[in-house]
Amino acid sequence: NAGVTQTPKFQVLKTGQSMTLQCAQDMNHNSMYWYRQDPGMGLRLIYYSASEGTTDKGEVPNGYNVSRLNKREFSLRLESAAPSQTSVYFCASSLLGRNEKLFFGSGTQLSVL
Amino acid sequence: AQSVTQPDIHITVSEGASLELRCNYSYGATPYLFWYVQSPGQGLQLLLKYFSGDTLVQGIKGFEAEFKRSQSSFNLRKPSVHWSDAAEYFCAVGMNTGFQKLVFGTGTRLLVSP
Repeated sequence: NAGVTQTPKFQVLKTGQSMTLQCAQDMNHNSMYWYRQDPGMGLRLIYYSASEGTTDKGEVPNGYNVSRLNKREFSLRLESAAPSQTSVYFCASSLLGRNEKLFFGSGTQLSVL
Repeated sequence: AQSVTQPDIHITVSEGASLELRCNYSYGATPYLFWYVQSPGQGLQLLLKYFSGDTLVQGIKGFEAEFKRSQSSFNLRKPSVHWSDAAEYFCAVGMNTGFQKLVFGTGTRLLVSP
């Protein structure tokens, strides 16, 4: 089973460029999440989708947009990248969003120059 | 709002020695508590979780954690560490109602010496 798949694994952007991080899960999960991981900060929730058709802001949503394309896919878009968005981004999914286990992708290392 | 503190940024343990990683939380009610492990270049993997009942919970890879309400703690333990346990460990807290939005601690990096 593939689980949660993120693409790309690495990306370098210049300030002001845009890009979309892709995430797909094959576990028929209802809920999906985007986190960013920064040294000394742990993981912080950017956006989440409790179920297909809904999205909500997390702790650090500024500068990002998301799309829950269908039940499997949840993308994260940076419209105008800034150096402060240099981070490792993780997508995760869970079955119902009721404090059961989160399944994580392997992450995207993004550098904004 | 809930919060999590992991006071140790790095811990070094000799292989075969016991391990305890500290986690303190802040939440107005009984929380849901989790420990996740992250190996280099990988996503996070659930080690164990506490929702209710027995305050000592067993997880994968020989780990256990004890919920102590009086101390607002959920420390992770392992009696004998293996070199493969070297990783970063994250404690997380969730609310006991509504949709899950976990709050993660800042992590503790475990180094295992020969």
